[in-house]
Amino acid sequence: NAGVMQNPRHLVRRRGQEARLRCSPMKGHSHVYWYRQLPEEGLKFMVYLQKENIIDESGMPKERFSAEFPKEGPSILRIQQVVRGDSAAYFCASSRRSQTWRNEKLFFGSGTQLSVL
Amino acid sequence: AQRVTQPEKLLSVFKGAPVELKCNYSYSGSPELFWYVQYSRQRLQLLLRHISRESIKGFTADLNKGETSFHLKKPFAQEEDSAMYYCALSGDGTSYGKLTFGQGTILTVHP
Repeated sequence: NAGVMQNPRHLVRRRGQEARLRCSPMKGHSHVYWYRQLPEEGLKFMVYLQKENIIDESGMPKERFSAEFPKEGPSILRIQQVVRGDSAAYFCASSRRSQTWRNEKLFFGSGTQLSVL
Repeated sequence: AQRVTQPEKLLSVFKGAPVELKCNYSYSGSPELFWYVQYSRQRLQLLLRHISRESIKGFTADLNKGETSFHLKKPFAQEEDSAMYYCALSGDGTSYGKLTFGQGTILTVHP
């Protein structure tokens, strides 16, 4: 099991362009979470998705950001019209969620470092 | 609102010395607390969680509800313990992977 795979590892965009970040959860995991880490800060929850459903997007900025987790393929975090303030590390985590929360475990990807010029 | 505070951004100790990484939290209900670790060039991974009351790699952490703390301790630090450590809180028993992280503490263990 290759673990949670994120790509690309590094993404450079100019202001106004679109950024698409991909996350393939671990095999057998159907729950995906996206976190953002701004410089000098801790990870901040953005969105929680199950296959084809957004469960909790309370941490997502109201504009320009969207996320999906289709029936087939990876989860995608999409940032439209990027600005310099979007520069951050974006982490994806997955879980199986076949048990109660107390037995659940999150597995993190290596992250995507987004740099906006 | 829930919050996790790790007051030390950097912590340096010598090999064999005791180490304590501080974590304080703010939450009105019954929290679940975790410590995550990120070794150099590796992914963030779970170190321990308070409900398990386990010891991993010699580390322990006790939840002190009176002081709202969940400090991570190890009696004898090793060089391989050098890493970034994050304290995290889950404030809702049904909130799956929605964690609130502290800012992290970089631990350096000198030979």
